[in-house]
Amino acid sequence: AQSVTQLDSHVSVSEGTPVLLRCNYSSSYSPSLFWYVQHPNKGLQLLLKYTSAATLVKGINGFEAEFKKSETSFHLTKPSAHMSDAAEYFCVVGRAGGTSYGKLTFGQGTILTVHP
Amino acid sequence: EPEVTQTPSHQVTQMGQEVILRCVPISNHLYFYWYRQILGQKVEFLVSFYNNEISEKSEIFDDQFSVERPDGSNFTLKIRSTKLEDSAMYFCASSGIGQLYEQYFGPGTRLTVT
Repeated sequence: AQSVTQLDSHVSVSEGTPVLLRCNYSSSYSPSLFWYVQHPNKGLQLLLKYTSAATLVKGINGFEAEFKKSETSFHLTKPSAHMSDAAEYFCVVGRAGGTSYGKLTFGQGTILTVHP
Repeated sequence: EPEVTQTPSHQVTQMGQEVILRCVPISNHLYFYWYRQILGQKVEFLVSFYNNEISEKSEIFDDQFSVERPDGSNFTLKIRSTKLEDSAMYFCASSGIGQLYEQYFGPGTRLTVT
């Protein structure tokens, strides 16, 4: 079975300061890991993905995430927050191998607020 | 940039009625999915669909639910007899060959059952 835990339901930062959104996963197989972002009244947008290549993954809008197998973590970071980063972020795991046909398992989401 | 579209954006229906939610996946994608998010809860997988067949479904996807690709562009989710607890945001997604888990999502349909 696979599962995802996002450790913070809300994160609040000031514009220009670093962002850290934490995610731990559990998977019986080598996982594919993703971060999706959802702006208000918009769909889910793929931010970045890890699929067993480099452990440090770069995504859009300056975000990156590091896969740490020993810690079963896939935390999302950005050096400097921008007002437009305010949104809800989802950590997602997809199973690699076994009899899965594309099922993604979502974390509960972290709402990022950015203050001026 | 190609995108997944969904109609309607909001659907209100009475309990016991049938609803059909529509999606147009990205044109060269071959794998299609439905997910839902009940207010305040996680996004949940419902079903995956490939080659005109259901590939995988969750325990939520019971006999009240069905999916169909009626033509070369649309992908639909039908709920036969809606219940109050079916009220949720329903997301359609699609992915391409060799990228099963890299899914592109539509903006969602908010279904309200009264």
